[in-house]
Amino acid sequence: AQKVTQAQTEISVVEKEDVTLDCVYETRDTTYYLFWYKQPPSGELVFLIRRNSFDEQNEISGRYSWNFQKSTSSFNFTITASQVVDSAVYFCALRNYGQNFVFGPGTRLSVLP
Amino acid sequence: DTEVTQTPKHLVMGMTNKKSLKCEQHMGHRAMYWYKQKAKKPPELMFVYSYEKLSINESVPSRFSPECPNSSLLNLHLHALQPEDSALYLCASSQETSAITDTQYFGPGTRLTVL
Repeated sequence: AQKVTQAQTEISVVEKEDVTLDCVYETRDTTYYLFWYKQPPSGELVFLIRRNSFDEQNEISGRYSWNFQKSTSSFNFTITASQVVDSAVYFCALRNYGQNFVFGPGTRLSVLP
Repeated sequence: DTEVTQTPKHLVMGMTNKKSLKCEQHMGHRAMYWYKQKAKKPPELMFVYSYEKLSINESVPSRFSPECPNSSLLNLHLHALQPEDSALYLCASSQETSAITDTQYFGPGTRLTVL
């Protein structure tokens, strides 16, 4: 069975702090994809990144970075120098062949000015 | 700017009303999805259309009726809903459903309240 766990239900940080959102997944497949989505208060899920199971290189995009570790089945997301506009619910998701997305429960991030 | 649009943004309806949610995508995708999202929960898949054919119905009650008139449009017809159906309804699209690399792109959602 596939499962995604985001143990942090809610996180609050002060602007300019760095914050890491954890994502742990379970799957028996060797080929799979992991995703991160951002859902601001407006409601739309915004696609942030897709990573395949064979590519363990970390990725950086501006203030965002992702750390994928197959050994611990984790795909963590770090925001550097957080801003108020980063306040949102962040979902980690897993996709296997022939399966639909499995979303984690989400982490609500509040960045305080 | 999102390339998946949804109307209306908000909808309030009574339990005897009939209404429809509309979704349109402008990315040339061949797969479209309806999700239901309750507060503080992740989205739950309801329906999947692939090449304008219904491919997945996740045991959704018949008071929800999807329709895909063409590859760009997706409707969700609502009839005799219950208060517990109040939620955010999200539409998404992707290139196709079969590729594992397929990324879903979401619309802004319709916030539905059933009185």
